[in-house]
Amino acid sequence: GAGVSQSPSNKVTEKGKDVELRCDPISGHTALYWYRQSLGQGLEFLIYFQGNSAPDKSGLPSDRFSAERTGGSVSTLTIQRTQQEDSAVYLCASSLSTGTYEQYFGPGTRLTVT
Amino acid sequence: AQSVTQLDSQVPVFEEAPVELRCNYSSSVSVYLFWYVQYPNQGLQLLLKYLSGSTLVKGINGFEAEFNKSQTSFHLRKPSVHISDTAEYFCAVSASKDNFNKFYFGSGTKLNVKP
Repeated sequence: GAGVSQSPSNKVTEKGKDVELRCDPISGHTALYWYRQSLGQGLEFLIYFQGNSAPDKSGLPSDRFSAERTGGSVSTLTIQRTQQEDSAVYLCASSLSTGTYEQYFGPGTRLTVT
Repeated sequence: AQSVTQLDSQVPVFEEAPVELRCNYSSSVSVYLFWYVQYPNQGLQLLLKYLSGSTLVKGINGFEAEFNKSQTSFHLRKPSVHISDTAEYFCAVSASKDNFNKFYFGSGTKLNVKP
């Protein structure tokens, strides 16, 4: 079956512009996670969805970052007024539920802010 | 707060040699432990996980890891590596908070297998 997909795979944007990153989880997976992977760094947790609700938004770096999930499926991560320090690979993962611990990762979106 | 430390950012090794990738974590609560692998230009995939039971966990591709609670470690080992094992390896810890398992990842170890 299809895995987690993310789009676009690469995004180059100018500082100050808004960007939207999309994640399509595995069908039937109720939990969805967003992470950020900066050069030479580990994965930084951003936000988690159970269904359409986000119980934990503590990882969002600033109020320029927001995310939503509709229909318990597709999720969008929006970064407003992008800054150069937002440049990173943004990874999405999904899992069956909170009771199932394995996360399945997408290939990521590489964001470059110039 | 949880944290995960991968002591080696890069590990070069010759083909067919043994390898150990180190991972230590800090936690005051029960945790679940994972190793993920990221091959070049691919997404992360699960190598193995420790949830409970035997402290020696076997995963895919001949890898295994041992959970050591007293040393708060979860080192990854393989007795004989192949060129195809060249990848970046991430250790992760999951701790339960408010019925949600939050993952904390280490900074990764790049394994470079040389012929």
